Amino acid sequence: GQQLNQSPQSMFIQEGEDVSMNCTSSSIFNTWLWYKQDPGEGPVLLIALYKAGELTSNGRLTAQFGITRKDSFLNISASIPSDVGIYFCAGREGSNYKLTFGKGTLLTVNP
Amino acid sequence: EAQVTQNPRYLITVTGKKLTVTCSQNMNHEYMSWYRQDPGLGLRQIYYSMNVEVTDKGDVPEGYKVSRKEKRNFPLILESPSPNQTSLYFCASSSGVGNTIYFGEGSWLTVV
Repeated sequence: GQQLNQSPQSMFIQEGEDVSMNCTSSSIFNTWLWYKQDPGEGPVLLIALYKAGELTSNGRLTAQFGITRKDSFLNISASIPSDVGIYFCAGREGSNYKLTFGKGTLLTVNP
Repeated sequence: EAQVTQNPRYLITVTGKKLTVTCSQNMNHEYMSWYRQDPGLGLRQIYYSMNVEVTDKGDVPEGYKVSRKEKRNFPLILESPSPNQTSLYFCASSSGVGNTIYFGEGSWLTVV
């Protein structure tokens, strides 16, 4: 099946720093989603993007749907310890319900 | 409260012993799906359903079956589990293709 390349695989940062992660695909997507997963929990949706070029914010989080429709990035500004977790991108190619996830970025924030 | 409920949350079973992981949502969602999560591989879709009696294969359907006899339930069936099906499983639902997907809390399955 379709694979998304998500990078970096892991990040270890100091509290207060900004963070950036991205996903790329060989196929064109019509939806990009960003999720966060805390230990022992299911993923929770952070931001959904539906149009090429779309830039959307959710508090300290900002995500963009790339112009080529083959990539997306997520930025976290002024990180705090509770930002720790695994961040996943996910993309949808068509109008069905098939969703492909990236392998995740493990974020560690040092207080 | 909007919920996706999976059971069991934790299970250790033996190779070949049929098991079912149930999934139920109380949001009247049409779309439901199952994922497995493995270290280094992220979440991979096993099966999805776009409505009652409508199911389709995801990326890794081998060794699994599903059914969607009613809107709220979408059980995952392992007819003859094998150790490579040891994983963390998530059920998810949403009201539409482009709408928010709600995940259950996960089911840890170990096959020995």
